[in-house]
Amino acid sequence: EADIYQTPRYLVIGTGKKITLECSQTMGHDKMYWYQQDPGMELHLIHYSYGVNSTEKGDLSSESTVSRIRTEHFPLTLESARPSHTSQYLCASSGDGANVLTFGAGSRLTVL
Amino acid sequence: KNQVEQSPQSLIILEGKNCTLQCNYTVSPFSNLRWYKQDTGRGPVSLTIMTFSENTKSNGRYTATLDADTKQSSLHITASQLSDSASYICVVSDRGSTLGRLYFGRGTQLTVWP
Repeated sequence: EADIYQTPRYLVIGTGKKITLECSQTMGHDKMYWYQQDPGMELHLIHYSYGVNSTEKGDLSSESTVSRIRTEHFPLTLESARPSHTSQYLCASSGDGANVLTFGAGSRLTVL
Repeated sequence: KNQVEQSPQSLIILEGKNCTLQCNYTVSPFSNLRWYKQDTGRGPVSLTIMTFSENTKSNGRYTATLDADTKQSSLHITASQLSDSASYICVVSDRGSTLGRLYFGRGTQLTVWP
């Protein structure tokens, strides 16, 4: 059973709303990631963190922001949601040299 | 361009049958290759990870092979079960950075019918 938790699992909101997707892990992993996944498509890295107070943008341009104030917590925030943000957001962490990822169950966001 | 291509895109088999999923990659330099299983509405779960020197690795009814020369990998599922219905994702890591960048395939959607 994975020790990485995402909330909410499902969220439907209106355009222009601010939302925060939560991600917490209890494994003490230094590295954490946010991926975006659309149906039938590959995962795209949008943000990652090597440790506390370290955040970097990933390959996919995203209007979201992240923070890493505590090792176990890596929330993702959208200041003003748009329909183009509708997607599944997956949080992951890793703590070994091989960088094997442990994923959360995902947050499915729908913006109307 | 570093890419990971998976085939088939989707596959339907009957319960109890075997199947093989393919993964071709152009990622260079190569560090390791992983297969993940993703159930509908869930996050991916690691099945196997193989480095350059490994050419086969098993995890229960799942057996992964790797040919680093031809840059091909396969995932063989033996005696399929209904619970094997999922998307299987091939992921390749390079050695180009300290963390190793990950390249994801689009997955093969496997459906097992009773």
